[in-house]
Amino acid sequence: AQKVTQAQTEISVVEKEDVTLDCVYETRDTTYYLFWYKQPPSGELVFLIRRNSFDEQNEISGRYSWNFQKSTSSFNFTITASQVVDSAVYFCALSGVYNQGGKLIFGQGTELSVKP
Amino acid sequence: EAQVTQNPRYLITVTGKKLTVTCSQNMNHEYMSWYRQDPGLGLRQIYYSMNVEVTDKGDVPEGYKVSRKEKRNFPLILESPSPNQTSLYFCASSFSGGAGREQFFGPGTRLTVL
Repeated sequence: AQKVTQAQTEISVVEKEDVTLDCVYETRDTTYYLFWYKQPPSGELVFLIRRNSFDEQNEISGRYSWNFQKSTSSFNFTITASQVVDSAVYFCALSGVYNQGGKLIFGQGTELSVKP
Repeated sequence: EAQVTQNPRYLITVTGKKLTVTCSQNMNHEYMSWYRQDPGLGLRQIYYSMNVEVTDKGDVPEGYKVSRKEKRNFPLILESPSPNQTSLYFCASSFSGGAGREQFFGPGTRLTVL
């Protein structure tokens, strides 16, 4: 079975703090993809990143960075110097090659609140 | 502009009154799917379609129907809605159904069934 766990339901930080959102996944596939999506208060889903299982290089995009570790089945997301606009629900998701079509398995989501 | 549109965006209805949520994409995508989002559960796939006239169940298909008569449209039908179908619904599309394809999501439809 495939599963994604985001153990942190809610996180609250003060602006400019760094924050890490945890994501742990389970899959038997050897080839799979991991995603992060952002859902701001307006409700839409915004694609942030996709990683395949063969690429364990960490990625940095501005204040965002992602740490993929196959050894611990984790794909954590760090926001450096958080801003109020980062307040949102963040979802981690998994897609395996044997999924139905391209089904995404989502975690429960982590609600991040950044206070000024 | 490339996009996935859903209508209506908000809907309040009563138990048993049939409704349809429309989904349309203008990217000529083959793959389309529906998800529902519930607190504490994330998003779960309801139905998906690999192409015209090809549909299949996702993880939570009970109480829903879909059809894919045209490539661009993938309506979600609730023939007899019940309160446990109160949720936020997202339609998504991607170029094809392979794993790892970026999926483009619609803006969501918030449905309340009284």
